[in-house]
Amino acid sequence: QVHLVQSGAEVKKPGASVKVSCKVSGYSLSGSSIHWLRQAPGRGLEWMGGFEPEADETIFAQSFQGRLTVTEDTSTDTAYMELSSLRSDDTAVYYCATWMVGYNPFESWGQGTLVTVSS
Amino acid sequence: EIVMTQSPDTLSVSPGDRATLSCRASQSLSGNLAWYQQKPGQAPRLLIYGASTRATGIPARFSGSGSGTEFTLTISSLQSEDFAVYYCQQYYLWPPWTFGPGTKVEVK
Repeated sequence: QVHLVQSGAEVKKPGASVKVSCKVSGYSLSGSSIHWLRQAPGRGLEWMGGFEPEADETIFAQSFQGRLTVTEDTSTDTAYMELSSLRSDDTAVYYCATWMVGYNPFESWGQGTLVTVSS
Repeated sequence: EIVMTQSPDTLSVSPGDRATLSCRASQSLSGNLAWYQQKPGQAPRLLIYGASTRATGIPARFSGSGSGTEFTLTISSLQSEDFAVYYCQQYYLWPPWTFGPGTKVEVK
């Protein structure tokens, strides 16, 4: 059974960075990857970025270019998302989710990590 | 970027009744459409992929249909645990993967 466990809630000041981890079990990252999405309070789902194994590159939503770093450590089956230059409108629940290369949905999700940006 | 829209915003339904949710894409998806269920304080859960295939463990009362740009999620007989927000998502043209704004199914 696939299980994704994310790190705990964070409170950050504007301009700071946040790093969220996602530990994967029961799932092989070979031929697949972890993507990151977020949900602002009372809002819908927004895809942020993730690794594309066939292209061997990380892809990002345009709005996060230059601020988002996504990495995967296959030795520990852990993925990381780091968002820099935080603003108040980055306050959201951040999710990791599994994605198999190709025309596939986001199959399994982490429990979410609340990141609050406040001065 | 493919824009996804959903209707209605909120659907008020009595337990045991049928619920029909709609999703529209700004261009054809060739069937690459998923539905997710999200309950308060929980992560989204994949219900339907390929427009009509139920994900593992999803009850048969959930069904998806549609093609091209128009899709439907039907819940045949609403149970108490089905009251939630439902999102559609396209995975035909990416990046970016895009979601609809959601339909909230609430108790009538």
